Amino acid sequence: DQQVKQNSPSLSVQEGRISILNCDYTNSMFDYFLWYKKYPAEGPTFLISISSIKDKNEDGRFTVFLNKSAKHLSLHIVPSQPGDSAVYFCAASDGGATNKLIFGTGTLLAVQP
Amino acid sequence: DSGVTQTPKHLITATGQRVTLRCSPRSGDLSVYWYQQSLDQGLQFLIHYYNGEERAKGNILERFSAQQFPDLHSELNLSSLELGDSALYFCASSVSGWGGETQYFGPGTRLLVL
Repeated sequence: DQQVKQNSPSLSVQEGRISILNCDYTNSMFDYFLWYKKYPAEGPTFLISISSIKDKNEDGRFTVFLNKSAKHLSLHIVPSQPGDSAVYFCAASDGGATNKLIFGTGTLLAVQP
Repeated sequence: DSGVTQTPKHLITATGQRVTLRCSPRSGDLSVYWYQQSLDQGLQFLIHYYNGEERAKGNILERFSAQQFPDLHSELNLSSLELGDSALYFCASSVSGWGGETQYFGPGTRLLVL
C-alpha cells in the first residue's frame, strides 16, 4: 500500500526552464510534507517543506504547492540548473509523536544544458 | 554536510552473518531514525529512537535491532543476514522527534550480502 506516490519515474527539462515534480498521497492524516534531493552515493538532502495549514512555501528557486483536497503536492524549480539533476523524493509525516517519514519512490530529474 | 555521520560507508559480508551499523546524530539532536533503501523500493522507515528510548517501529524485521546510547549515537544490528538484506541503510536525526520536524540524513551505509 503506497501511501505516497510519485508517478513519474523521470523528468527531463532544459536548463533555465521550470521543473515540476509531482507527488500524490492517500492518507488524510498526513499534515507535514517534505522534499529531499538525492545524488548517487549520498544521503537525501532536505530541500523544502510545507505544513498542511499552508498551500504554498517558497525558498529561493524552490516552491512547494499543496492541494489538500486533491491530496497532491508539487515542487517547482525555477530556473532549473544542471546541478539540480538528481533524484527527488517526496515524504510525508502525520505530525504525531513518531515523526516517521513515508517516502515516495522518487523522480529522477535531468536538467539538460 | 548534514552533520550526521555513519560508519562504515561500505560493508560486504556473507549470508548468515551479523553486522553493526553506526550513526552519530547532529550535535544537539535527540532523535535518531533508521531507514532502508532497497533496489526495488524507496526509503522505508525502520525505527525511531528518542533520547535512548524506542519511540516507533516500522517495517523492521525481527532479525534487526537497534539501540541509542547515552551519548546519543545509535547502532543498527542486522543478524542472520540474507541476500535480500542488501541495501542502503540511512540514519537521520532531528532535534526532538515530534511530527513536523525536519530530519537530516547521513551519507548511508551500503550493505552487500553475498
